Amino acid sequence: KQEVTQIPAALSVPEGENLVLNCSFTDSAIYNLQWFRQDPGKGLTSLLLIQSSQREQTSGRLNASLDKSSGRSTLYIAASQPGDSATYLCAVVGGADGLTFGKGTHLIIQP
Amino acid sequence: DAGITQSPRHKVTETGTPVTLRCHQTENHRYMYWYRQDPGHGLRLIHYSYGVKDTDKGEVSDGYSVSRSKTEDFLLTLESATSSQTSVYFCAISEARIGTGAYYGYTFGSGTRLTVV
Repeated sequence: KQEVTQIPAALSVPEGENLVLNCSFTDSAIYNLQWFRQDPGKGLTSLLLIQSSQREQTSGRLNASLDKSSGRSTLYIAASQPGDSATYLCAVVGGADGLTFGKGTHLIIQP
Repeated sequence: DAGITQSPRHKVTETGTPVTLRCHQTENHRYMYWYRQDPGHGLRLIHYSYGVKDTDKGEVSDGYSVSRSKTEDFLLTLESATSSQTSVYFCAISEARIGTGAYYGYTFGSGTRLTVV
């Protein structure tokens, strides 16, 4: 059974810092990996999707990498802003039976 | 999110009553999913569908049933609601490229907050 772990569970940093969120998964036989953002009381917003054949994806200040062989992904956030405060979720796709999620990293950016 | 809507957004119901949640998509995606989100457990798959009338169980399917009679609609029914089913329920859609097995990204609805009293 696939298990996804996100470290750290919570993180608080001052505005402007660059930061890295980590995700690891136990079964490397995945189709893709997706990072989401969730604001309190809201739904999930997709940030980045990395196909299994790709090594990284970038969108604005966000960069996600994937190392399938080691079962790891990182989400890099550059020049953090208070508006980046949210819970960040990592999820992997092993087949038609949907995403397996980590429990998330709760991020607070201090003004 | 555009293309996927859930109804109702909030519902309070009594223990023992049946409840149906609806997910509607306009993207013509083949795959539809129901997840529940609970503190300490994260998001867990309840049921999913890979086509009209084609459904399968997820990790936490006990006490739930689903139906998909049209591509655009996926219904989740709590047959006899219990307090342990108080949760936030999310619907998601996805598609896969035929012949390659490559899956596209998932899009989530805004969620239904269900309280069973």
